[in-house]
Amino acid sequence: EVQLVESGGGLVQPGGSLRLSCAASGFTFSNYWMHWVRQAPGKRLVWVSRIARDGTTTSYADSVKGRFTISRDNAENTLYLQMNSLRGDDTAVYYCVGDHGYWGQGTLVTVSS
Amino acid sequence: EIVLTQSPATLSLSPGERATLSCRASQSVSNYLAWYQQKPGQAPRLLIYDASNRATGIPARFSGSGSGTDFTLTISSLEPEDFAVYYCQQRDNWPFTFGPGTKVDIK
Repeated sequence: EVQLVESGGGLVQPGGSLRLSCAASGFTFSNYWMHWVRQAPGKRLVWVSRIARDGTTTSYADSVKGRFTISRDNAENTLYLQMNSLRGDDTAVYYCVGDHGYWGQGTLVTVSS
Repeated sequence: EIVLTQSPATLSLSPGERATLSCRASQSVSNYLAWYQQKPGQAPRLLIYDASNRATGIPARFSGSGSGTDFTLTISSLEPEDFAVYYCQQRDNWPFTFGPGTKVDIK
């Protein structure tokens, strides 16, 4: 059974940092591009970032470019999102998504003083 | 950035009725269009990929069609569990983008 389990969300002050993790199981992690998608309360889904199978190619939405870094550890079957200089409009549920179409249940990030 | 628009915003139907949801792209996305279903408090679930292919485990009452800029998701006969929000999403160009969603609610 494919499982994607996010962790690392929480409450952080503006300007702070968080690192999200996504533990993958039930499939060959290194065979798939992986992605982060977020959804602010009551808003549409927004694609945040993606990373190639071997980690050498990454892409970011303009709204997070220069502040967020996506990475992966294929030996540990884990996807990461390092988020720096967090702002109020980064408040959202962050989902880990595989190219196979499976989604994690999400982790809530709240940026507030 | 490719902008996706969905219509209608809300569709009020009864169980057993046919639902037809539309998605229009601001430029061609070829057939790289997916449909997702989302229920409150849950992650989106992939229904259709590449415009017309059902994802694993998706019932045959869900079907997708279209190419280029105009796409349709059809639910042939609504079941109680189908009342949800439906999003289209393109992966032809980065950044991948979603539409604003169509809410299918019970009439």
